[in-house]
Amino acid sequence: SQQGEEDPQALSIQEGENATMNCSYKTSINNLQWYRQNSGRGLVHLILIRSNEREKHSGRLRVTLDTSKKSSSLLITASRAADTASYFCATNQAGTALIFGKGTTLSVSS
Amino acid sequence: EPEVTQTPSHQVTQMGQEVILRCVPISNHLYFYWYRQILGQKVEFLVSFYNNEISEKSEIFDDQFSVERPDGSNFTLKIRSTKLEDSAMYFCASSEALGNEQFFGPGTRLTVL
Repeated sequence: SQQGEEDPQALSIQEGENATMNCSYKTSINNLQWYRQNSGRGLVHLILIRSNEREKHSGRLRVTLDTSKKSSSLLITASRAADTASYFCATNQAGTALIFGKGTTLSVSS
Repeated sequence: EPEVTQTPSHQVTQMGQEVILRCVPISNHLYFYWYRQILGQKVEFLVSFYNNEISEKSEIFDDQFSVERPDGSNFTLKIRSTKLEDSAMYFCASSEALGNEQFFGPGTRLTVL
């Protein structure tokens, strides 16, 4: 089943602008986690939001979760060229597995 | 800052050969995982491991795969008889507890020829 699906698939912005990526999922979750992946590299954990939380912040990152709409958003404020990467949401349902989406490719130009 | 490490970074093998991918999870973590990412595709869950046994596995994790924690620090994934379609990036991850953040290693790129 397609659980986490991000949109848009690709996003191009200028340095200093904000970037918003969305994730939708189909079944109830325990938590949702966002990751960043630079081309061909490992997955860097960004933030975890639990099903009973609505918003979390970490530095320039802001994540929201709307369980009624089964959706989450990741906002990166004041983007930098170094933020260029793919961003994935991953949902944790009842067990241990994370189910990943296809990701949003963010390109930040200076 | 503690991190998950994986070796080797790149493994090339012939079809039908056995490979062992190695991981050292973060030291106080109790849950260990393997995921894979075929080039251009989603990251896919393979297996989770807790208290010296498999907690959960996906349909990808068939009889050709096995996991082991041979000592107090290493966590391995063995593929018994590799196929061309096993070519992928394999990621190890660990978490302190169930439902906590899963921290990923840098991955092992497996190429099966």
